[in-house]
Amino acid sequence: EMVMTQSPATLSVSPGERATLSCRASQSVSTNLAWYQQKPGQAPRLLIYGASTRATAIPARFSGSGSGTEFTLTISSLQSEDLAVYYCQQYNDWPYSFGQGTKLQIK
Amino acid sequence: QVQLVQSGTEVKTPGSSVKVSCKASGVTFSSLTISWVRQAPGQGLEWMGRIIPIVNIANYAQNFQGRVTITADKSTSTAYMELSSLRYDDTAVFYCAREDSKHYDSGGYYLGSFDIWGQGTIVSVSS
Repeated sequence: EMVMTQSPATLSVSPGERATLSCRASQSVSTNLAWYQQKPGQAPRLLIYGASTRATAIPARFSGSGSGTEFTLTISSLQSEDLAVYYCQQYNDWPYSFGQGTKLQIK
Repeated sequence: QVQLVQSGTEVKTPGSSVKVSCKASGVTFSSLTISWVRQAPGQGLEWMGRIIPIVNIANYAQNFQGRVTITADKSTSTAYMELSSLRYDDTAVFYCAREDSKHYDSGGYYLGSFDIWGQGTIVSVSS
């Protein structure tokens, strides 16, 4: 079964600065990778699919990159409302698997 | 606009079962694939299984095999997730989500990301 590993577990970034979150797959998932944002008390929201395609209505400051086993979610200029936990998920191989999440804190 | 609306909070005792519903609107139900995801308090997301209503096929994660049953009622556009033999560590928020399937894996499963989510249902297991 595919194991997804996210780093760091917690990230503190000042408003206006860049945030870089990483996700590593135990085997290649090609570009069949998605990123989700989960704000406190809310359901997850799809941010990125296909490793780099923004979902509907997602601001341009969110971008995804990578292929194979290494992936990155970048928030170019952090806003206070970006406080959340971010998860990656692979859909290359059955069964689905999620990373354990990165908690993004506003410094 | 596609919406998934889930049933309300449940409080259950150990050993009992719970059945959570997920009603879809704004979309042709039979075109959907609905997955269920569990999130224990303070923990991450755990995929449980899914239903493809048009062919009435359900697939389950190994961790939940034998304890979870996912069904769909096309007449009411509603998917259901029933979890049996509840334990204290089943206390969690359960989400349904629509799959946006885009990719066939080597085993022939049609897979994708989860683009629409229900609001979540809290299930508390307590004596």
